[in-house]
Amino acid sequence: GQSLEQPSEVTAVEGAIVQINCTYQTSGFYGLSWYQQHDGGAPTFLSYNALDGLEETGRFSSFLSRSDSYGYLLLQELQMKDSASYFCAVSAGGSYIPTFGRGTSLIVHP
Amino acid sequence: DTAVSQTPKYLVTQMGNDKSIKCEQNLGHDTMYWYKQDSKKFLKIMFSYNNKELIINETVPNRFSPKSPDKAHLNLHINSLELGDSAVYFCASSQGLLTPSNQPQHFGDGTRLSIL
Repeated sequence: GQSLEQPSEVTAVEGAIVQINCTYQTSGFYGLSWYQQHDGGAPTFLSYNALDGLEETGRFSSFLSRSDSYGYLLLQELQMKDSASYFCAVSAGGSYIPTFGRGTSLIVHP
Repeated sequence: DTAVSQTPKYLVTQMGNDKSIKCEQNLGHDTMYWYKQDSKKFLKIMFSYNNKELIINETVPNRFSPKSPDKAHLNLHINSLELGDSAVYFCASSQGLLTPSNQPQHFGDGTRLSIL
């Protein structure tokens, strides 16, 4: 089976940088995805890492270390609208269908 | 243009009833999914269809039956609803199933099912 661990909640102030960590246990690893979900909304795709290293998309970056079974999502220049739940999801096994972690609630304070 | 649309958005019904949730995607994707998100926001896959063929059927009670009339539609029928079925159900789609690299899933807005 697969398991993922991420913090349940992270708080930060507007303008700051925050890092949300994700560790996973799986076999046949393909890649790690990140999704954002606002309260009452749908999960929306943020990023995908299949190889080690940092992927940058605007204010958001995602990092993967396959040898450490670890990744993180880095959010810079935090804005109030970034308050949401962030899910890491691992694709592994016989298909690319991701298994989601339990999500990290990010609260951004003014 | 709505990419993945599901109806209804809200569903309030009594225990024991049978209900259906419809999902349609206009992205031309081959693969569709149903997820259940509980009150603690745990997002758990229920079913996956690829080109109308069932690919994944997780440990879901057989009261839940998906139906895919074509690859753009994946409906979910639930028989004999129970209190524990109360959750948000998300439909999603992706380009393909067994292809490499990035396969982002596109989610519908969810159906909030409440069992009285």
